Amino acid sequence: DAGVIQSPRHEVTEMGQEVTLRCKPISGHDYLFWYRQTMMRGLELLIYFNNNVPIDDSGMPEDRFSAKMPNASFSTLKIQPSEPRDSAVYFCASSRSGGPNNEQFFGPGTRLTVL
Amino acid sequence: LAKTTQPISMDSYEGQEVNITCSHNNIATNDYITWYQQFPSQGPRFIIQGYKTKVTNEVASLFIPADRKSSTLSLPRVSLSDTAVYYCLVGSLGGRRALTFGSGTRLQVQP
Repeated sequence: DAGVIQSPRHEVTEMGQEVTLRCKPISGHDYLFWYRQTMMRGLELLIYFNNNVPIDDSGMPEDRFSAKMPNASFSTLKIQPSEPRDSAVYFCASSRSGGPNNEQFFGPGTRLTVL
Repeated sequence: LAKTTQPISMDSYEGQEVNITCSHNNIATNDYITWYQQFPSQGPRFIIQGYKTKVTNEVASLFIPADRKSSTLSLPRVSLSDTAVYYCLVGSLGGRRALTFGSGTRLQVQP
């Protein structure tokens, strides 16, 4: 298996522009997670899905952020409009089950820079 | 929410055993303890998970005392490639705590 796939790997945009990050989880995994990592705040959970349904979005910073999972093999995280403080590395992860054996497999991340 | 406390950083030399301890005084009955490793410019990678006593796999051991208020990740004979940040997570999925990464411990292995 190719593992979790994220695109793009790097994104540079200007303040006010819309940004869409993409993720393809590992086939057969029921859970998908979006995280954000910065030096100041560390690794933060933004939202997670179970069987394509958002379960907990309490980590989404504000209404400018939205996430969707239209099917089991694809998810997007959108920021509109983007701001410089959104600059971070965004990770997508997936796991096979939600029980105690919930090993998460992380993608390589998308490094977002908002100018 | 259960809070985990780890040392911010540790230094070691190649070939030594490294023990990183995580405190989790408020651990709940259903909580598991999970450790992840993160290299620069990569996503975290699962290392080991346990509930009580001792768990061992091909890369590490996890020691959990009877009261479960702490846990120790043991890395035998570290090498330069073990230089990374190590995170301790506590919780049971169904709740956010299992998905809350703290500040982690930055391990630096020297030759």
